[in-house]
Amino acid sequence: RKEVEQDPGPFNVPEGATVAFNCTYSNSASQSFFWYRQDCRKEPKLLMSVYSSGNEDGRFTAQLNRASQYISLLIRDSKLSDSATYLCVVNAERGSTLGRLYFGRGTQLTVWP
Amino acid sequence: NAGVTQTPKFQVLKTGQSMTLQCAQDMNHEYMSWYRQDPGMGLRLIHYSVGAGITDQGEVPNGYNVSRSTTEDFPLRLLSAAPSQTSVYFCASSYGWRQSSGNTIYFGEGSWLTVV
Repeated sequence: RKEVEQDPGPFNVPEGATVAFNCTYSNSASQSFFWYRQDCRKEPKLLMSVYSSGNEDGRFTAQLNRASQYISLLIRDSKLSDSATYLCVVNAERGSTLGRLYFGRGTQLTVWP
Repeated sequence: NAGVTQTPKFQVLKTGQSMTLQCAQDMNHEYMSWYRQDPGMGLRLIHYSVGAGITDQGEVPNGYNVSRSTTEDFPLRLLSAAPSQTSVYFCASSYGWRQSSGNTIYFGEGSWLTVV
């Protein structure tokens, strides 16, 4: 079983739509959670960290449910510029394996006019 | 501020050749790592380093060597290239090795490697 599983996508939505991505992780001892954004043929860039209490950054809202080992990202009022692949990332520390990040396969979003 | 610099950006190798992907960061980051990204797969960790002189294996280390003689540089060596190593390689760094402290990881722009 993979450490991090994401919605396979792709998601194709019109401008202004609300879209949600989901992610589950297998290691209950995971401590840190992130969403990264990756544009075509570019490097991943941090979109936002995910905190237990949930957090919001403009049109983006991230939620964490530790009991269900589930992370979500909600994008409201989608823009054309939101078209990208969204990566769910989890820090799973096991024994001497410190600071290792596990990446989901990514969910592709296309926002059309 | 250059951030994380990777070279070369594109490379074609013949099976059996060796080469080194260079990675340098100018942010005095302790933690550096190499990932590969293949179609339909997430980024997979090859090797990582928590400081100069310290390296360790990630998920997919076979066929790759690393060294960390300075804080700034973390080269990745392909010993004898195979077609299965055709991939996009990303170098990454962060200030601390413990991601739970919330340190942001910065990625290089990627190196596209094709082994024929």
